[in-house]
Amino acid sequence: KAGVTQTPRYLIKTRGQQVTLSCSPISGHRSVSWYQQTPGQGLQFLFEYFSETQRNKGNFPGRFSGRQFSNSRSEMNVSTLELGDSALYLCASSLAASGYNEQFFGPGTRLTVL
Amino acid sequence: GENVEQHPSTLSVQEGDSAVIKCTYSDSASNYFPWYKQELGKRPQLIIDIRSNVGEKKDQRIAVTLNKTAKHFSLHITETQPEDSAVYFCAAVPFHTDKLIFGTGTRLQVFP
Repeated sequence: KAGVTQTPRYLIKTRGQQVTLSCSPISGHRSVSWYQQTPGQGLQFLFEYFSETQRNKGNFPGRFSGRQFSNSRSEMNVSTLELGDSALYLCASSLAASGYNEQFFGPGTRLTVL
Repeated sequence: GENVEQHPSTLSVQEGDSAVIKCTYSDSASNYFPWYKQELGKRPQLIIDIRSNVGEKKDQRIAVTLNKTAKHFSLHITETQPEDSAVYFCAAVPFHTDKLIFGTGTRLQVFP
């Protein structure tokens, strides 16, 4: 079974621009969660989608948004990029909704904001 | 709000020694505590988890203990090997929010 995939793997943007990241979950998984990973803060929860609906949201500004499609693929958008948005963005899929289920992570998208 | 504190941030041990990583959670209603391992340049993977109705769980060289009264849980790795070198993340799921809250990670280095 193919694992979680994320595209693109690397992105370089400048301040003020916007970016869209994509995540394809494991086949049959309906839940997709997004995390921001930085050296000092570890893994911070952004949001979770299940059946095209946002179930949970972390403590990030409204510049961070996401959506999920009917095939469970998910996208994350960051608008008006700031230098502090530079990070590795990981998505994870699970069979069912909620953090009680094992999360299968993708390889991540490394975003650099100049 | 929900918070998980993890210590130490870095840990160096000699091969064969034991390693212990400790986490404290803030929401007393949390009832699920997984541990993820992230090797350098790779994605995090679940290595062990424990639910609040269990005090200890073992899987070969790794074990996790939970103290609900003190709101802390720990990962124990015995007979460490170089391939145990990685960043380890603890996490907790607060009952009322149902989302995974991670600690800040512990970088474990096992020296041969």
